Amino acid sequence: NAGVTQTPKFQVLKTGQSMTLQCAQDMNHEYMSWYRQDPGMGLRLIHYSVGAGITDQGEVPNGYNVSRSTTEDFPLRLLSAAPSQTSVYFCASSLMINQPQHFGDGTRLSIL
Amino acid sequence: GENVEQHPSTLSVQEGDSAVIKCTYSDSASNYFPWYKQELGKRPQLIIDIRSNVGEKKDQRIAVTLNKTAKHFSLHITETQPEDSAVYFCAASRTAGNKLTFGGGTRVLVKP
Repeated sequence: NAGVTQTPKFQVLKTGQSMTLQCAQDMNHEYMSWYRQDPGMGLRLIHYSVGAGITDQGEVPNGYNVSRSTTEDFPLRLLSAAPSQTSVYFCASSLMINQPQHFGDGTRLSIL
Repeated sequence: GENVEQHPSTLSVQEGDSAVIKCTYSDSASNYFPWYKQELGKRPQLIIDIRSNVGEKKDQRIAVTLNKTAKHFSLHITETQPEDSAVYFCAASRTAGNKLTFGGGTRVLVKP
């Protein structure tokens, strides 16, 4: 099992550009989520999904979109990148919410 | 929504001493409390978790205690070693809530 795979590992964008962060898991997990990690602020939930076709907002959803067309994939889209979105983004998956979360290696995103 | 506060934000201990990190939560319906360890530049990884029907759980040098009345839970690391140096995050969730809320993190430094 590869676990949770995130691509790309690093990305630099210009303000106003759009991009998609990819996340895939091979553990047949129903629950998937995206977090952003900023210094001193822990991990903040952006969006989550409890299964294919079902998504919902987390704590900091503005500026991001998600979709869940398959159990395996949960991409995160930045619509119009802003410097405030410079962060490390982690995707995670689990069988359900109250189960251990498996994290990907993260995507380090810089927006100039 | 849930709010999780974590203290201290930094903790320096001598090798062999104990380390204690405390978290408080606001939602009395929360029933799952995991702890994650994140080494520099790496993904968060689960080290121990506890559910609300249990007051204490141990795994070798790591233990977690839960006080539901006071709404706080703590991580205890005994006989600390240099490889325990990392950032530790607590989190809380409830079955029907579908969201895992993290504390702000504690940077632990174990001095040889």
